[in-house]
Amino acid sequence: QQQVKQSPQSLIVQKGGISIINCAYENTAFDYFPWYQQFPGKGPALLIAIRPDVSEKKEGRFTISFNKSAKQFSLHIMDSQPGDSATYFCAASRSYSGAGSYQLTFGKGTKLSVIP
Amino acid sequence: NAGVMQNPRHLVRRRGQEARLRCSPMKGHSHVYWYRQLPEEGLKFMVYLQKENIIDESGMPKERFSAEFPKEGPSILRIQQVVRGDSAAYFCASSQGPNTGELFFGEGSRLTVL
Repeated sequence: QQQVKQSPQSLIVQKGGISIINCAYENTAFDYFPWYQQFPGKGPALLIAIRPDVSEKKEGRFTISFNKSAKQFSLHIMDSQPGDSATYFCAASRSYSGAGSYQLTFGKGTKLSVIP
Repeated sequence: NAGVMQNPRHLVRRRGQEARLRCSPMKGHSHVYWYRQLPEEGLKFMVYLQKENIIDESGMPKERFSAEFPKEGPSILRIQQVVRGDSAAYFCASSQGPNTGELFFGEGSRLTVL
């Protein structure tokens, strides 16, 4: 059972365009939603994260939009650059006592290519 | 380099051999997690350890896999009698605490089983 579904699997965007990656989750107990960026041969690095008490969080060119009722969240990359070309993973976890936030459930990833 | 250090970065084993993967957490972090990434898949949680304790091994296969985080030295993920299906990237992550939500990942150890 895949608890976090991510789409699209791959994405090609022109330089300067907007990249949008979507995720949907099933477990209503999830309360922490990070996005990780992974370059080839490297480990995932935390990009931005959101908790369900807000509907949007922005950090520079990266924005997470969160829709609790629809159980969906998305990553928007504004003014996409070739250096943004990487694989992006959404994830989710729950953080109540006894479980912790460490057990992240990852989506399958989106390979983003930003072309000049 | 104060990041999560993993070694070896690449490991090739024949079926039936043992694989040992090592992880040193970030300075100041005492919580270590192992994740496995199969080709074209997301990462999947395997085990969570603190010094000398396994806290949660709910994602670990019941056989052939074991993990430890001794009082001194790195955390070790051990895979006995490897099979081709064990071929994957194994990532270690660390954090200051289990509920901070922020995991810092190493660059991974890529195991290939021939």
